[in-house]
Amino acid sequence: SQTIHQWPATLVQPVGSPLSLECTVEGTSNPNLYWYRQAAGRGLQLLFYSVGIGQISSEVPQNLSASRPQDRQFILSSKKLLLSDSGFYLCAWSVGQGGETQYFGPGTRLLVL
Amino acid sequence: KNQVEQSPQSLIILEGKNCTLQCNYTVSPFSNLRWYKQDTGRGPVSLTIMTFSENTKSNGRYTATLDADTKQSSLHITASQLSDSASYICVVRKAGGSYIPTFGRGTSLIVHP
Repeated sequence: SQTIHQWPATLVQPVGSPLSLECTVEGTSNPNLYWYRQAAGRGLQLLFYSVGIGQISSEVPQNLSASRPQDRQFILSSKKLLLSDSGFYLCAWSVGQGGETQYFGPGTRLLVL
Repeated sequence: KNQVEQSPQSLIILEGKNCTLQCNYTVSPFSNLRWYKQDTGRGPVSLTIMTFSENTKSNGRYTATLDADTKQSSLHITASQLSDSASYICVVRKAGGSYIPTFGRGTSLIVHP
């Protein structure tokens, strides 16, 4: 069966510090991978998606970046965090050409102080 | 602009009662519509998926309806339980193999004993 892991589960970081959130998927090959952010009381905002190794599409211009160094690994990074980067970060995977179900990870709660 | 609007924003009901959540969308051309349940601090989990030709789909005490002509969907919860307390998110996909779904902001449901 397929599983998706995210870590860390929670993170408290000072403004201006770097960020690295990791997501890995097991039990499937060549998944589509997604990073979402969910601010308190808001809907899910798509940040990045990837349909293959090294292929990253950015949906929202900001101080975040994403990388996919391996087939089932997706990393969200920042060189300098802003207060507005606080939120709940969710990684998701799917397979197919579109229209398929997305399966979400447990999320990372990020608080920037 | 492709949008998904959900109502009400929040809802409080007593355990055992029924409730109905609404979703209106403007996404076109339409591929499918999903309802997700998101427990607090967790990732969303898919409840139902409906395509253009489907009017009703059930998953236990959850029943989703779709009117593709009026671009409306509803999620009916029967005999609510405390564990139904969560955010319910409507997600619509555009036809044409898009990797990017459009998320509603969700309805926050609280079930009181």
